[in-house]
Amino acid sequence: NAGVTQTPKFQVLKTGQSMTLQCAQDMNHNSMYWYRQDPGMGLRLIYYSASEGTTDKGEVPNGYNVSRLNKREFSLRLESAAPSQTSVYFCASSLDPLGYGYTFGSGTRLTVV
Amino acid sequence: GENVEQHPSTLSVQEGDSAVIKCTYSDSASNYFPWYKQELGKRPQLIIDIRSNVGEKKDQRIAVTLNKTAKHFSLHITETQPEDSAVYFCARAGNQFYFGTGTSLTVIP
Repeated sequence: NAGVTQTPKFQVLKTGQSMTLQCAQDMNHNSMYWYRQDPGMGLRLIYYSASEGTTDKGEVPNGYNVSRLNKREFSLRLESAAPSQTSVYFCASSLDPLGYGYTFGSGTRLTVV
Repeated sequence: GENVEQHPSTLSVQEGDSAVIKCTYSDSASNYFPWYKQELGKRPQLIIDIRSNVGEKKDQRIAVTLNKTAKHFSLHITETQPEDSAVYFCARAGNQFYFGTGTSLTVIP
C-alpha cells in the first residue's frame, strides 16, 4: 500500500532545462495537488486537480504546467527551469476537495543551477 | 478571508512542558480542521483532526480544541519530548483546503 508516490526524489537541472515530476496515488482519491516548500517556509500551492479531467491554478502557478493523466496520476512540468524554482516539491492527494484523507508524497528536492 | 493564521511561528519549550499552537480563520463554512507534523527533511503527516460537530479531541499527549463561534482551533501537546520537535501545520477545509503558515517547535532536553 504505497499511498502517494513521487519520482524522482532528487534532481539537479541547469537553467533552461525542462523536466516532469511524476506523482501517483493508489488510494482512489479524487483530488490531487502540487506544492512547493522553500527553506523555512510553509506550503505554497502550485496547481491542483479537484477531480479527474480538471486542473486549476493555485497560489504560485507561474513557470509550471500540470497534467491529470488519469485518476491516479498528476504530473508537474517545468518547461524552462529557473534558479527561483529550486525547492522541495510535494504532491498530495485527498478523497475530495474538502481535504479528507489528505496525504503527502515523500517530496522531490529540485536544484536549478 | 481564505487564509488560516497560525501562531506562533516559532516555539521553544523545555522537555516535559506543554506546547500550544493556535490557528484562526474567518470562513464560517469551514468544517474540518486537521493538524500535520513535518519532521526535518520529511513529508507532512496527519497527526490529529477534528470536525466541526466536536469541540475537543484527544489522542494520548496530543489534543485539538475547536471554538467555532470564535473561529479558532488549537493544538495542545502535553509532556513534550525531544521527538516532538518539528514544524506543525494547521489546516481548514471549507469549500477548499487551506494550510496555515507553520510553527517550528523545539523541545529542549
